[in-house]
Amino acid sequence: KQEVTQIPAALSVPEGENLVLNCSFTDSAIYNLQWFRQDPGKGLTSLLLIQSSQREQTSGRLNASLDKSSGRSTLYIAASQPGDSATYLCAVTRGGGSEKLVFGKGTKLTVNP
Amino acid sequence: DTAVSQTPKYLVTQMGNDKSIKCEQNLGHDTMYWYKQDSKKFLKIMFSYNNKELIINETVPNRFSPKSPDKAHLNLHINSLELGDSAVYFCASSPDLYSPLHFGNGTRLTVT
Repeated sequence: KQEVTQIPAALSVPEGENLVLNCSFTDSAIYNLQWFRQDPGKGLTSLLLIQSSQREQTSGRLNASLDKSSGRSTLYIAASQPGDSATYLCAVTRGGGSEKLVFGKGTKLTVNP
Repeated sequence: DTAVSQTPKYLVTQMGNDKSIKCEQNLGHDTMYWYKQDSKKFLKIMFSYNNKELIINETVPNRFSPKSPDKAHLNLHINSLELGDSAVYFCASSPDLYSPLHFGNGTRLTVT
């Protein structure tokens, strides 16, 4: 059974810092891994999707890496801003599609001005 | 223009009642999903529909019944509500089974 763990559960940093969020999964037989952002009272926004054959994906100040063999992914946020404050969730899918994403509990990030 | 919209945003009801949550997407996606986020913040898949056909039905009580009248809609009906059904329910859609999901803003269901 796939389990996804995210560490830390919460993180508070001053504005401008670079930071790393961690995600680990128990079954390395994944199809892809996604990072989402969840704002209070809002739905999830897909940030990055990494296919199992890829090592990393970048979008703006975000960079996600994937080490499938070790069951780990990291989300790197450069030059953090107060607007980055949200809960970041990692999710993996097994098999051919997104029909069965398995989510972690998320890391709640607070960026202080 | 809301891509994936759910109604209502908040739903407070008593045990034993029957309620529905509606979901509509205007993205032209073929696949729609219902997820449940419990008090511990875990998001779990409940149902997945592809082209109006049910492709995933997780171990969800049969009091929960999804209905997809067309590709743009996936409604969730819940009969005989129980306290443990209190959670946030998210609808999502994707172009196909291999693309990122687009989520609605969630419906917070509170059963008293």
